[in-house]
Amino acid sequence: RKEVEQDPGPFNVPEGATVAFNCTYSNSASQSFFWYRQDCRKEPKLLMSVYSSGNEDGRFTAQLNRASQYISLLIRDSKLSDSATYLCVVNMGSGNTGKLIFGQGTTLQVKP
Amino acid sequence: GAGVSQSPSNKVTEKGKDVELRCDPISGHTALYWYRQSLGQGLEFLIYFQGNSAPDKSGLPSDRFSAERTGGSVSTLTIQRTQQEDSAVYLCASSLAGRGGRFFGPGTRLTVL
Repeated sequence: RKEVEQDPGPFNVPEGATVAFNCTYSNSASQSFFWYRQDCRKEPKLLMSVYSSGNEDGRFTAQLNRASQYISLLIRDSKLSDSATYLCVVNMGSGNTGKLIFGQGTTLQVKP
Repeated sequence: GAGVSQSPSNKVTEKGKDVELRCDPISGHTALYWYRQSLGQGLEFLIYFQGNSAPDKSGLPSDRFSAERTGGSVSTLTIQRTQQEDSAVYLCASSLAGRGGRFFGPGTRLTVL
C-alpha cells in the first residue's frame, strides 16, 4: 500500500463547477499535511496547509479527518487557471521529521 | 526575494558518467531536501538535511547517489556511473527548520543516454 494515495483522475469539469479531491495516508502518526499544486513541467508550489479544524483560502477549502486518515481539497467556482495537478503531501512520522511524502497527484482540467 | 535555484537546468550525459547537480536554497532556510520526479510520476524523496544534524538518507536509491551540504547552505547531489533509469527531474526544496511548506527550485532535468 502506498503511503499517500490519490485518485490520479483526470477530473474534467466546466468553469464554475465545484470539485473535490480526496487523499488517504497510511501512517496514523503523521503530523502535518499540505496540498501542493504542480503545473505541467513546473516545480510543485505550496497551495495550502491543512489543519485539523479545516481551513479555507478563498475558493479553496481543505479538510483533515484523522480518524479516517484522509485529507480533502474542495475548489469552488473553478477557473481555467485552476487546471493543474494537485499533490497531497504528508509529513510522515511523529514529531517533525521533515520528510514529506507526496501522493501521485490528481489532475484537474477545467474546460470553458 | 530570491527563491531556490538549481543548476544546471538541463543535463544530458552518457551512461556510466558521473554528474553533479547543485542547489542554492533560500537564504536562512535551515532545511534542504532533494526529490526526483520521473516522467508522469510523483515525487520520490531522496535525502533531507536539517542544520548540523546527520542527514536523512533513507530515500537514496543506491550507493551511486550521494549528497553534501556545505556550510549549511549550498548542496550538491552526485550520481556516479549514471544509468538510464536515473533520467528524471531532480528537485531541490528548502524550508525553515523543517516546518511548514517546502519551497521548490525549478529542478534539473537529467537525461542519461
